[in-house]
Amino acid sequence: AQSVAQPEDQVNVAEGNPLTVKCTYSVSGNPYLFWYVQYPNRGLQFLLKYITGDNLVKGSYGFEAEFNKSQTSFHLKKPSALVSDSALYFCALGGGYNKLIFGAGTRLAVHP
Amino acid sequence: DAGVIQSPRHEVTEMGQEVTLRCKPISGHNSLFWYRQTMMRGLELLIYFNNNVPIDDSGMPEDRFSAKMPNASFSTLKIQPSEPRDSAVYFCASISGTGINEQFFGPGTRLTVL
Repeated sequence: AQSVAQPEDQVNVAEGNPLTVKCTYSVSGNPYLFWYVQYPNRGLQFLLKYITGDNLVKGSYGFEAEFNKSQTSFHLKKPSALVSDSALYFCALGGGYNKLIFGAGTRLAVHP
Repeated sequence: DAGVIQSPRHEVTEMGQEVTLRCKPISGHNSLFWYRQTMMRGLELLIYFNNNVPIDDSGMPEDRFSAKMPNASFSTLKIQPSEPRDSAVYFCASISGTGINEQFFGPGTRLTVL
């Protein structure tokens, strides 16, 4: 069965420090992986996706994600966090008809 | 492009009433998804359509929920009768079916059933 896990409910980071939001997946075959961000009272916004190729994927707002097949992980990273990055982050696994299987979400809090 | 449009943005109704949520996908997108988000259950996929045809409605919680997509530019999610436990934010998302693409989400409808 296909599944996505985000092991941390919340991640706390000081502004200017690097951040990592973790995601692991389970799928038979090649995974298609996505990261979305949700700001308060807003819909989800696409950040980046991995389909194939380079394991380091760059996305919007300075975010990037590293695909690791051996560890079945797709962690979201940013070298220097901003207070405005505080939001809810979702990892998702793509399936047939472009259906997405979402993780439970990780709340990122960046403190000044 | 205006993006995915949902209406109303907020709906407050009383238990037992019928509720209809509306969605206009991005022009040219041929797949549409309805989600429900709550604190307790997170983001749940309710139903999705491809070329206006329902593909999988296994996420629809009960027979009280129904969804239609009469044409490529409009979809509705109806709850009849509504119950307090239906209170949630309902999102619609659309996607172009060519290749592996990202879904575009609407702003959501916040439903409160009293």
